[in-house]
Amino acid sequence: EPEVTQTPSHQVTQMGQEVILRCVPISNHLYFYWYRQILGQKVEFLVSFYNNEISEKSEIFDDQFSVERPDGSNFTLKIRSTKLEDSAMYFCASAQSYEQYFGPGTRLTVT
Amino acid sequence: AQSVTQLGSHVSVSEGALVLLRCNYSSSVPPYLFWYVQYPNQGLQLLLKYTSAATLVKGINGFEAEFKKSETSFHLTKPSAHMSDAAEYFCAVSGMAGTASKLTFGTGTRLQVTL
Repeated sequence: EPEVTQTPSHQVTQMGQEVILRCVPISNHLYFYWYRQILGQKVEFLVSFYNNEISEKSEIFDDQFSVERPDGSNFTLKIRSTKLEDSAMYFCASAQSYEQYFGPGTRLTVT
Repeated sequence: AQSVTQLGSHVSVSEGALVLLRCNYSSSVPPYLFWYVQYPNQGLQLLLKYTSAATLVKGINGFEAEFKKSETSFHLTKPSAHMSDAAEYFCAVSGMAGTASKLTFGTGTRLQVTL
């Protein structure tokens, strides 16, 4: 069964550093998403991406964040200058229509 | 705007007992509703979905949920709990029914199953 994959599973970085989280969505899906879950809190929407552009973003997704689909298979989330409060689990999801399939997540720890 | 309220951050049941996890939603358009399960240190797995067809939907692992428009509810049930059901359960609503829009999640309910 096809699945969404994410790398790395765990990323530790120092405050102020740039990180890139990578996702490989399911191959025939057209819609891509990033969500995050701060430890002990609910899953929050960050951004959705369709047809090579952002279709919707939350207020969390400020200028420090960017997304890209560089090669038609990968979908990346970049945080330009990480803050302590960016520590969270980041989930990628993809969809063909309304049913979203989630990856296993990348745990980002900012020290 | 959409929102989801899950009553009870922690629910504990005995093995073999009925599981009832509550979810109420608010949506300005006919909603699509979802239940996801998250096992420790894992991602989100779709349990079941309501997409405006049958109001009683069946999912994986013996779970089912009933959409009640009059009560704006989508409670998750399972007749007999199993130890392997211990996990975090999230209810979510889709922004616009039938389209691939964002999911808005509830705060989650941690299910504990005891012997």
